[in-house]
Amino acid sequence: AQSVAQPEDQVNVAEGNPLTVKCTYSVSGNPYLFWYVQYPNRGLQFLLKYITGDNLVKGSYGFEAEFNKSQTSFHLKKPSALVSDSALYFCAVRDLRESLSSSNTGKLIFGQGTTLQVKP
Amino acid sequence: DTGVSQDPRHKITKRGQNVTFRCDPISEHNRLYWYRQTLGQGPEFLTYFQNEAQLEKSRLLSDRFSAERPKGSFSTLEIQRTEQGDSAMYLCASSGHRGGTDTQYFGPGTRLTVL
Repeated sequence: AQSVAQPEDQVNVAEGNPLTVKCTYSVSGNPYLFWYVQYPNRGLQFLLKYITGDNLVKGSYGFEAEFNKSQTSFHLKKPSALVSDSALYFCAVRDLRESLSSSNTGKLIFGQGTTLQVKP
Repeated sequence: DTGVSQDPRHKITKRGQNVTFRCDPISEHNRLYWYRQTLGQGPEFLTYFQNEAQLEKSRLLSDRFSAERPKGSFSTLEIQRTEQGDSAMYLCASSGHRGGTDTQYFGPGTRLTVL
């Protein structure tokens, strides 16, 4: 079964320091991987995705993620954290299984989320 | 592009009442998804529409839940005889024609509280 794991409930970093939010995945076949961010009482905002190609994916707000097939990881990174980056971050994988209608729905399977706290 | 919109943003209801939520996807998107998110958890898939056809329903979607997308545009999610366990954030997302590689864009969600 497709799944993602975010091993850290919370990550604390000081403003200006680099940040990493970890994600590992388990899929059969090639993974399609996504990162979203959620601010309090808001929906999810898309940050970036890996479909194929370059293992380093650049996204919104200065975030990037590195796809590592051998370690089945897709960690989210930013060279210099901002206080405004404090939020809940979700890693997701596209479900590759066919539905009963034989149409791949593309639904996402999410991790549990990691709260990022950036302190001034 | 006005993004995905959802209405209402918040709903408080008493146990046993029926509620209906609306989602308006990005106009050119033919794929529409409903997810449910409970406190401290990631979103979980509920159901999927391609145009007006409902092509997949999660086992999470009990008989009390029904969703429609009558003209392939907006969608509604109805919960009948609400229970306290239905309290959650209900998220709608839409994506375009390229299937799984397309990005799903989420609305702001409807937060349901069942008293």
